[in-house]
Amino acid sequence: AQKITQTQPGMFVQEKEAVTLDCTYDTSDQSYGLFWYKQPSSGEMIFLIYQGSYDEQNATEGRYSLNFQKARKSANLVISASQLGDSAMYVCAMSRPWSTGRRALTFGSGTRLQVQP
Amino acid sequence: DAGITQSPRHKVTETGTPVTLRCHQTENHRYMYWYRQDPGHGLRLIHYSYGVKDTDKGEVSDGYSVSRSKTEDFLLTLESATSSQTSVYFCAISDGGRYNEQFFGPGTRLTVL
Repeated sequence: AQKITQTQPGMFVQEKEAVTLDCTYDTSDQSYGLFWYKQPSSGEMIFLIYQGSYDEQNATEGRYSLNFQKARKSANLVISASQLGDSAMYVCAMSRPWSTGRRALTFGSGTRLQVQP
Repeated sequence: DAGITQSPRHKVTETGTPVTLRCHQTENHRYMYWYRQDPGHGLRLIHYSYGVKDTDKGEVSDGYSVSRSKTEDFLLTLESATSSQTSVYFCAISDGGRYNEQFFGPGTRLTVL
């Protein structure tokens, strides 16, 4: 069964510093996708970044990068130069291959990040 | 940002009443999903659609039905709302990319009294 584990319920970071949010996953699939979403207090789920299991390069999107370590089954999100607007819940998710017929993403419980001035 | 809207954004209703939530997309994506988000459970799939008039159940489908008569619209209906269906409902879309990346709408907060 798929499982996503986010062990940090809450984190604090100083403005302008970098922060790493942990995500480990468990799967027996060879092909899968890993995603990070940001959920601010307003409630929407904002897509940040994704990594495919066959992608050799770590994904980057602006200040967001995904530190993908396949052998360790980890997909940590790194936010560089934190801003006050980065304060939010961050949720890690995983998809399964289309061949399994499973269309739902599996979600972690999230990490609440607070950026301090 | 993906063009996904949900309506209504907030709704309070009484037990036993029917409720319909609407998801509208302007991306022409084939796949659409309804999730619910509850404390301690994360997001869970209710139903999804893989084309017009093609739908299937997710893991928490009891008490819900869906319809998709047009590519851009996916409706979620609670035939007779119960208090256990108080939740935040998210619609998501996907173009069927290799890893099924999904983009979410703004959510609907439903309270059943």
